[in-house]
Amino acid sequence: DAGVTQTPRHEVAEKGQTIILKCEPVSGHNDLFWYRQTKIQGLELLSYFRSKSLMEDGGAFKDRFKAEMLNSSFSTLKIQPTEPKDSAVYLCASSLLGNYAEQFFGPGTRLTVL
Amino acid sequence: GDSVTQTEGQVALSEEDFLTIHCNYSASGYPALFWYVQYPGEGPQFLFRASRDKEKGSSRGFEATYDKGTTSFHLRKASVQESDSAVYYCALGEASSGSWQLIFGSGTQLTVMP
Repeated sequence: DAGVTQTPRHEVAEKGQTIILKCEPVSGHNDLFWYRQTKIQGLELLSYFRSKSLMEDGGAFKDRFKAEMLNSSFSTLKIQPTEPKDSAVYLCASSLLGNYAEQFFGPGTRLTVL
Repeated sequence: GDSVTQTEGQVALSEEDFLTIHCNYSASGYPALFWYVQYPGEGPQFLFRASRDKEKGSSRGFEATYDKGTTSFHLRKASVQESDSAVYYCALGEASSGSWQLIFGSGTQLTVMP
């Protein structure tokens, strides 16, 4: 079975650009999560979908970050406009429907904003 | 709000040493507790979970016991190997209003020398 797929693996953007990160969850999984990972802040939840419905939109990340679940097998995270402080690894994870389920993570997209 | 504290930022050991990584949590409800492991260039991987007091989770020689009295879920392994070098994350998961999410600790970098 394929795991979680994320593209691109690396992205370099100029300040002010719009970037879109992509994620394909494990087939059959109903929950999808977007996280940001930095050395300072660690793992922070950006967005959470359950059966394509947005459950959490990450509070502090709302203004420039927008996650969408276009169908059950594809999600995007748009950052608009990008700022240098957005440089981080963006991780997508999915899990089966239900609480306490383990999350399966993709390899992440490393974003560098110049 | 809920939180997870990992006191060791870095741990350096030799092969066959005993490992302990401390994890304490603060939660308003009765959370499930998790350990994840992250290797370089990859996303975190689920190691194991425990969802009730005194329950022991284990995998690959690692184990931890849910202790509600001390609000702890310390990770232990009797004899570490060089291949165990990675970052270890403790996390708590809680359901709220139909939503479910994990809150991660800051992570502990384990380096095992041959």
